[in-house]
Amino acid sequence: DAKTTQPTSMDCAEGRAANLPCNHSTISGNEYVYWYRQIHSQGPQYIIHGLKNNETNEMASLIITEDRKSSTLILPHATLRDTAVYYCIARMEYGNKLVFGAGTILRVKS
Amino acid sequence: DSGVTQTPKHLITATGQRVTLRCSPRSGDLSVYWYQQSLDQGLQFLIQYYNGEERAKGNILERFSAQQFPDLHSELNLSSLELGDSALYFCASSPPAGLAAADTQYFGPGTRLTVL
Repeated sequence: DAKTTQPTSMDCAEGRAANLPCNHSTISGNEYVYWYRQIHSQGPQYIIHGLKNNETNEMASLIITEDRKSSTLILPHATLRDTAVYYCIARMEYGNKLVFGAGTILRVKS
Repeated sequence: DSGVTQTPKHLITATGQRVTLRCSPRSGDLSVYWYQQSLDQGLQFLIQYYNGEERAKGNILERFSAQQFPDLHSELNLSSLELGDSALYFCASSPPAGLAAADTQYFGPGTRLTVL
């Protein structure tokens, strides 16, 4: 699985969009970008994943650059409940284990 | 609620002891994964089972073992416990390949193990 790099922490004002970047410059053509989050010692929660097209679901949007070397997770209207550690993971679909890095601590502030 | 259940929620035991953690996957999911989360190591993959068979192994110690039963629930056995085994242990499950959202892993609430 390709290595991913994320900022250690970010702050966001409640109600504003939270944009979480991820670099994955060594990603291979058949590796997907997955995003999970973990809210204070709860089990990680799947958010979204994509290969090369931008994706949107009820939780978030995923923007992947054309060269696929980086991506951005967008939470359109962050709430206090979105405060969590966000993990960007590059992996094959139908793979296997998830390899978690340190992730980004997102603090949403009122 | 992910649909994955884990018992017990908390476990406190002494060094040298043996414990069993239990996981029930979501209905229909065939894969079960175990992860360990400690303060210094972060979230680490331990082992994966698919429909009763071991599929992949990660950094699982020899003192640890797991199995998946015919009803698809899984147990993680930790023996000769050491202080450093204190951690959160998560179980996750995923649906079979070919189904919608396949390969999305759904995590349980975890078991917090404290070794004194």
